[in-house]
Amino acid sequence: ETGVTQSPTHLIKTRGQQVTLRCSSQSGHNTVSWYQQALGQGPQFIFQYYREEENGRGNFPPRFSGLQFPNYSSELNVNALELDDSALYLCASSSQGSGRTEAFFGQGTRLTVV
Amino acid sequence: GDSVTQMEGPVTLSEEAFLTINCTYTATGYPSLFWYVQYPGEGLQLLLKATKADDKGSNKGFEATYRKETTSFHLEKGSVQVSDSAVYFCALSGNSGGSNYKLTFGKGTLLTVNP
Repeated sequence: ETGVTQSPTHLIKTRGQQVTLRCSSQSGHNTVSWYQQALGQGPQFIFQYYREEENGRGNFPPRFSGLQFPNYSSELNVNALELDDSALYLCASSSQGSGRTEAFFGQGTRLTVV
Repeated sequence: GDSVTQMEGPVTLSEEAFLTINCTYTATGYPSLFWYVQYPGEGLQLLLKATKADDKGSNKGFEATYRKETTSFHLEKGSVQVSDSAVYFCALSGNSGGSNYKLTFGKGTLLTVNP
Protein backbone atom coordinates (compact mmCIF):
# COMPACT_ATOMS: atom_id res chain seq x y z
CA GLU A 1 0.00 0.00 0.00
CA THR A 2 1.55 3.29 -1.08
CA GLY A 3 1.31 6.37 1.10
CA VAL A 4 0.53 9.96 0.19
CA THR A 5 3.29 11.56 -1.85
CA GLN A 6 3.75 15.22 -2.67
CA SER A 7 6.00 17.03 -5.10
CA PRO A 8 8.11 19.03 -5.10
CA THR A 9 9.37 18.98 -1.51
CA HIS A 10 10.67 22.53 -1.62
CA LEU A 11 10.43 25.43 -4.01
CA ILE A 12 11.09 29.13 -4.13
CA LYS A 13 8.94 31.50 -6.18
CA THR A 14 8.84 35.23 -6.75
CA ARG A 15 5.89 37.35 -5.74
CA GLY A 16 3.32 37.52 -8.55
CA GLN A 17 4.27 34.16 -10.04
CA GLN A 18 2.09 31.08 -10.24
CA VAL A 19 2.80 27.66 -8.69
CA THR A 20 1.44 24.13 -9.05
CA LEU A 21 1.82 21.56 -6.30
CA ARG A 22 1.07 17.88 -6.79
CA CYS A 23 -0.26 15.08 -4.64
CA SER A 24 -0.74 11.36 -5.17
CA SER A 25 -3.32 9.93 -2.82
CA GLN A 26 -2.93 6.74 -0.83
CA SER A 27 -3.97 3.59 -2.60
CA GLY A 28 -7.70 2.99 -2.22
CA HIS A 29 -8.50 6.57 -1.23
CA ASN A 30 -10.89 8.71 -3.29
CA THR A 31 -10.74 12.07 -1.52
CA VAL A 32 -7.94 14.62 -1.38
CA SER A 33 -7.80 17.67 0.88
CA TRP A 34 -5.26 20.49 0.88
CA TYR A 35 -4.07 22.43 3.91
CA GLN A 36 -1.81 25.44 4.42
CA GLN A 37 0.41 25.44 7.50
CA ALA A 38 2.09 28.72 8.29
CA LEU A 39 5.16 28.63 10.52
CA GLY A 40 4.23 27.88 14.12
CA GLN A 41 0.53 27.39 13.33
CA GLY A 42 -1.87 24.51 12.83
CA PRO A 43 -2.88 23.52 9.31
CA GLN A 44 -5.74 25.49 7.75
CA PHE A 45 -8.18 23.78 5.39
CA ILE A 46 -8.00 25.10 1.81
CA PHE A 47 -10.37 22.76 -0.04
CA GLN A 48 -11.29 19.15 -0.66
CA TYR A 49 -11.83 17.17 -3.85
CA TYR A 50 -14.04 14.13 -4.21
CA ARG A 51 -14.88 12.47 -7.53
CA GLU A 52 -13.00 15.22 -9.37
CA GLU A 53 -15.16 18.02 -7.95
CA GLU A 54 -14.56 20.52 -5.19
CA ASN A 55 -16.34 19.29 -2.08
CA GLY A 56 -15.89 22.04 0.47
CA ARG A 57 -13.66 25.09 0.68
CA GLY A 58 -12.07 27.03 3.50
CA ASN A 59 -11.50 30.75 3.78
CA PHE A 60 -9.05 31.11 0.89
CA PRO A 61 -9.34 33.46 -2.11
CA PRO A 62 -10.15 32.23 -5.64
CA ARG A 63 -6.49 32.45 -6.69
CA PHE A 64 -6.17 29.15 -4.81
CA SER A 65 -7.61 26.51 -7.11
CA GLY A 66 -7.32 22.80 -7.58
CA LEU A 67 -7.97 19.74 -9.66
CA GLN A 68 -8.52 16.07 -9.02
CA PHE A 69 -7.79 13.52 -11.72
CA PRO A 70 -9.52 10.18 -12.46
CA ASN A 71 -6.77 8.33 -10.58
CA TYR A 72 -7.59 10.54 -7.54
CA SER A 73 -4.32 12.42 -7.62
CA SER A 74 -4.61 16.17 -7.24
CA GLU A 75 -3.04 19.54 -7.95
CA LEU A 76 -3.11 22.77 -6.02
CA ASN A 77 -2.58 25.92 -8.07
CA VAL A 78 -1.87 29.32 -6.60
CA ASN A 79 -1.86 32.39 -8.85
CA ALA A 80 -0.42 35.83 -8.17
CA LEU A 81 1.71 34.63 -5.29
CA GLU A 82 2.01 36.85 -2.24
CA LEU A 83 4.67 36.83 0.44
CA ASP A 84 2.09 35.52 2.96
CA ASP A 85 1.61 32.42 0.82
CA SER A 86 4.95 31.17 2.14
CA ALA A 87 4.02 28.05 4.10
CA LEU A 88 4.06 24.27 4.22
CA TYR A 89 1.31 22.90 1.97
CA LEU A 90 -0.04 19.56 3.06
CA CYS A 91 -2.11 17.11 1.11
CA ALA A 92 -4.29 14.56 2.90
CA SER A 93 -6.12 11.60 1.44
CA SER A 94 -9.09 9.77 2.84
CA SER A 95 -11.81 7.42 1.74
CA GLN A 96 -15.37 8.72 1.77
CA GLY A 97 -18.06 6.09 1.98
CA SER A 98 -15.78 3.55 3.65
CA GLY A 99 -16.82 4.35 7.19
CA ARG A 100 -13.23 5.17 8.09
CA THR A 101 -12.79 8.74 9.24
CA GLU A 102 -9.05 9.28 9.34
CA ALA A 103 -7.03 11.26 6.82
CA PHE A 104 -3.40 10.49 5.99
CA PHE A 105 -0.97 13.26 5.18
CA GLY A 106 1.94 13.60 2.83
CA GLN A 107 5.27 15.10 3.84
CA GLY A 108 4.28 18.48 2.46
CA THR A 109 5.70 21.03 0.03
CA ARG A 110 7.59 23.94 1.56
CA LEU A 111 6.83 27.04 -0.55
CA THR A 112 8.86 30.18 -0.08
CA VAL A 113 7.73 33.36 -1.84
CA VAL A 114 10.36 36.08 -2.13
CA GLY B 1 -18.13 27.12 13.29
CA ASP B 2 -15.94 24.28 14.49
CA SER B 3 -12.91 25.13 16.61
CA VAL B 4 -10.20 23.43 18.64
CA THR B 5 -8.34 24.93 21.57
CA GLN B 6 -5.27 23.20 22.87
CA MET B 7 -2.78 23.87 25.58
CA GLU B 8 -0.22 26.52 24.77
CA GLY B 9 3.33 25.33 24.68
CA PRO B 10 6.11 24.79 24.72
CA VAL B 11 6.10 21.90 27.17
CA THR B 12 9.43 20.66 28.46
CA LEU B 13 9.67 17.40 30.42
CA SER B 14 12.32 15.03 31.64
CA GLU B 15 12.40 11.49 30.31
CA GLU B 16 9.89 9.17 32.06
CA ALA B 17 7.71 12.09 33.20
CA PHE B 18 3.92 12.05 32.83
CA LEU B 19 2.48 14.03 29.94
CA THR B 20 -0.88 15.75 29.59
CA ILE B 21 -1.77 18.06 26.71
CA ASN B 22 -5.24 19.55 27.08
CA CYS B 23 -7.62 19.88 24.16
CA THR B 24 -11.19 21.17 24.07
CA TYR B 25 -13.43 21.62 21.07
CA THR B 26 -16.53 23.33 19.79
CA ALA B 27 -18.54 21.59 17.09
CA THR B 28 -22.07 20.85 16.00
CA GLY B 29 -23.22 17.27 15.98
CA TYR B 30 -20.86 14.44 16.81
CA PRO B 31 -17.38 15.05 15.42
CA SER B 32 -14.55 12.57 15.26
CA LEU B 33 -11.49 13.59 17.26
CA PHE B 34 -7.83 13.07 16.47
CA TRP B 35 -4.32 13.68 17.69
CA TYR B 36 -1.66 14.16 15.04
CA VAL B 37 2.09 14.42 15.62
CA GLN B 38 4.58 16.36 13.52
CA TYR B 39 8.30 15.66 13.80
CA PRO B 40 10.74 18.39 12.68
CA GLY B 41 10.67 18.95 8.94
CA GLU B 42 7.97 16.37 8.34
CA GLY B 43 4.27 16.15 7.59
CA LEU B 44 1.57 15.05 10.02
CA GLN B 45 1.20 11.52 11.31
CA LEU B 46 -2.01 10.25 12.82
CA LEU B 47 -1.33 9.29 16.43
CA LEU B 48 -4.77 8.21 17.61
CA LYS B 49 -8.47 8.82 17.08
CA ALA B 50 -11.89 8.46 18.67
CA THR B 51 -15.15 8.57 16.79
CA LYS B 52 -17.83 8.66 19.49
CA ALA B 53 -18.38 9.70 23.09
CA ASP B 54 -16.44 7.72 25.72
CA ASP B 55 -14.23 6.08 23.08
CA LYS B 56 -10.59 5.85 24.09
CA GLY B 57 -7.97 6.14 21.38
CA SER B 58 -4.53 4.72 22.10
CA ASN B 59 -1.24 4.20 20.29
CA LYS B 60 2.46 3.99 21.26
CA GLY B 61 1.62 4.52 24.94
CA PHE B 62 -0.46 7.65 24.25
CA GLU B 63 -4.13 7.75 25.18
CA ALA B 64 -7.04 10.18 24.84
CA THR B 65 -10.71 9.78 25.80
CA TYR B 66 -13.57 11.48 23.95
CA ARG B 67 -15.50 13.34 26.67
CA LYS B 68 -18.68 14.82 25.24
CA GLU B 69 -19.85 16.28 28.54
CA THR B 70 -16.71 18.42 28.82
CA THR B 71 -16.04 18.64 25.04
CA SER B 72 -12.49 17.50 25.66
CA PHE B 73 -9.95 15.08 24.23
CA HIS B 74 -6.84 15.40 26.40
CA LEU B 75 -3.69 13.54 25.36
CA GLU B 76 -1.80 11.59 28.03
CA LYS B 77 1.27 9.39 28.27
CA GLY B 78 2.54 7.82 31.43
CA SER B 79 6.27 7.92 30.67
CA VAL B 80 7.63 10.08 27.85
CA GLN B 81 10.81 9.37 25.92
CA VAL B 82 13.24 11.69 24.14
CA SER B 83 11.89 10.34 20.86
CA ASP B 84 8.44 11.78 21.70
CA SER B 85 9.78 15.30 21.17
CA ALA B 86 7.57 16.80 18.45
CA VAL B 87 4.60 19.11 17.86
CA TYR B 88 1.22 17.61 18.77
CA PHE B 89 -2.00 18.75 17.12
CA CYS B 90 -5.52 18.10 18.31
CA ALA B 91 -8.08 18.06 15.50
CA LEU B 92 -11.71 17.36 14.80
CA SER B 93 -13.58 16.22 11.75
CA GLY B 94 -17.16 17.36 11.58
CA ASN B 95 -19.93 16.69 9.14
CA SER B 96 -21.12 20.22 8.46
CA GLY B 97 -21.42 21.50 4.93
CA GLY B 98 -21.00 18.11 3.33
CA SER B 99 -17.26 18.13 3.80
CA ASN B 100 -17.08 15.01 5.89
CA TYR B 101 -13.36 14.91 6.33
CA LYS B 102 -12.47 18.56 6.71
CA LEU B 103 -10.13 18.70 9.68
CA THR B 104 -10.07 21.65 12.05
CA PHE B 105 -6.79 21.84 13.96
CA GLY B 106 -5.60 23.44 17.13
CA LYS B 107 -2.46 25.58 17.03
CA GLY B 108 -0.20 22.77 18.16
CA THR B 109 1.83 22.11 21.29
CA LEU B 110 5.60 21.73 21.09
CA LEU B 111 6.87 18.99 23.40
CA THR B 112 10.54 18.70 24.25
CA VAL B 113 11.72 15.74 26.30
CA ASN B 114 15.18 15.98 27.86
CA PRO B 115 17.26 12.93 28.79
